[in-house]
Amino acid sequence: GQQLNQSPQSMFIQEGEDVSMNCTSSSIFNTWLWYKQEPGEGPVLLIALYKAGELTSNGRLTAQFGITRKDSFLNISASIPSDVGIYFCAGHFTGNQFYFGTGTSLTVIP
Amino acid sequence: GAGVSQSPSNKVTEKGKDVELRCDPISGHTALYWYRQSLGQGLEFLIYFQGNSAPDKSGLPSDRFSAERTGGSVSTLTIQRTQQEDSAVYLCASSLTKGNYGYTFGSGTRLTVV
Repeated sequence: GQQLNQSPQSMFIQEGEDVSMNCTSSSIFNTWLWYKQEPGEGPVLLIALYKAGELTSNGRLTAQFGITRKDSFLNISASIPSDVGIYFCAGHFTGNQFYFGTGTSLTVIP
Repeated sequence: GAGVSQSPSNKVTEKGKDVELRCDPISGHTALYWYRQSLGQGLEFLIYFQGNSAPDKSGLPSDRFSAERTGGSVSTLTIQRTQQEDSAVYLCASSLTKGNYGYTFGSGTRLTVV
């Protein structure tokens, strides 16, 4: 199956700092998604990317679809305590499923 | 309902017993997915339903796992003769159409096999 490597695995940052995480794939994708999961909840879609090079923002979040189609990054600016959670990337090429990364756990220290 | 509903939210079962997990997708969503999330791992695809088409069962880890979707709405994931390695969070998601529009996930069922 597709291999998605997500880094870093965990981050501990001070409130107000910017955050950057990325996801790389062994194969090309046509769609990249970024999700956030809080304890006891299912993942919630943050940003969807459909075209190589696409840069999309959602509030303080910005994500880009890498030009090689094998990577994507997510940035969070001016972090706040409610940004805490696990962030997952997911990619799709063909077929019925998205392939998920192993997640980046974010802790924001007030 | 407004979101994807899963029940039960937690299930503890003895090894060897069968369990049924239920998913109520968002009304009108034709695509329904089951994923499994083990501790510290990403989400593992299990099965996909799209309308009246035959389901994609390619992710089911063994023949102890099965799922059905009745009337194009509610889905049940059944695990027979549960094993300890089946312990995980089972997530259901639905989307309006097949493919690349992202899913809406339920809160999951945490299954613990003792």
